Amino acid sequence: DAGITQSPRHKVTETGTPVTLRCHQTENHRYMYWYRQDPGHGLRLIHYSYGVKDTDKGEVSDGYSVSRSKTEDFLLTLESATSSQTSVYFCAIREGDTGELFFGEGSRLTVL
Amino acid sequence: SQQGEEDPQALSIQEGENATMNCSYKTSINNLQWYRQNSGRGLVHLILIRSNEREKHSGRLRVTLDTSKKSSSLLITASRAADTASYFCATDTGGFKTIFGAGTRLFVKA
Repeated sequence: DAGITQSPRHKVTETGTPVTLRCHQTENHRYMYWYRQDPGHGLRLIHYSYGVKDTDKGEVSDGYSVSRSKTEDFLLTLESATSSQTSVYFCAIREGDTGELFFGEGSRLTVL
Repeated sequence: SQQGEEDPQALSIQEGENATMNCSYKTSINNLQWYRQNSGRGLVHLILIRSNEREKHSGRLRVTLDTSKKSSSLLITASRAADTASYFCATDTGGFKTIFGAGTRLFVKA
């Protein structure tokens, strides 16, 4: 158990509303990641963080922002949700030396 | 476009048979990893092979890496019904980004 929890696990919202997903870790890992998973696309990297207040874009960052004000929490925000952001979102932490990723259980977001 | 592409997209075999999945990637890598995902769950790390390694074993898993062809394969021997899952390759190209392919869905019939 890598000590990663995501919240909420399920959310239904309407187009145009803001949404924030939270990833919390208990292991004090430096690197944290947000991916989205869609059929036929596998996992695509949205944003990642390499320390408090240090973040960078991934493959599909448009429409998303992130924040990391403390080591244990990495927030993903959709400022104005669109139907194309309906997806399952996974948070992951990186085992520093080996490069292994440990994943949370996912947050299923539906934008109507 | 994605770094890794798995082949086949889906694979159905009988229990006891071997399952082979392939992954091709586009750029130089530090390492390549394989993950497993059961339906509705997060991904679980299976095995990592570094760019200077050619083969690695872990239990019933065997991974090969050919950097000249930019390809890797995952072999699961003596498959079990419990191996039914999606399998993803992921490449670490440096810069602490790990990029995933679209995955192979494996179905093992009992």
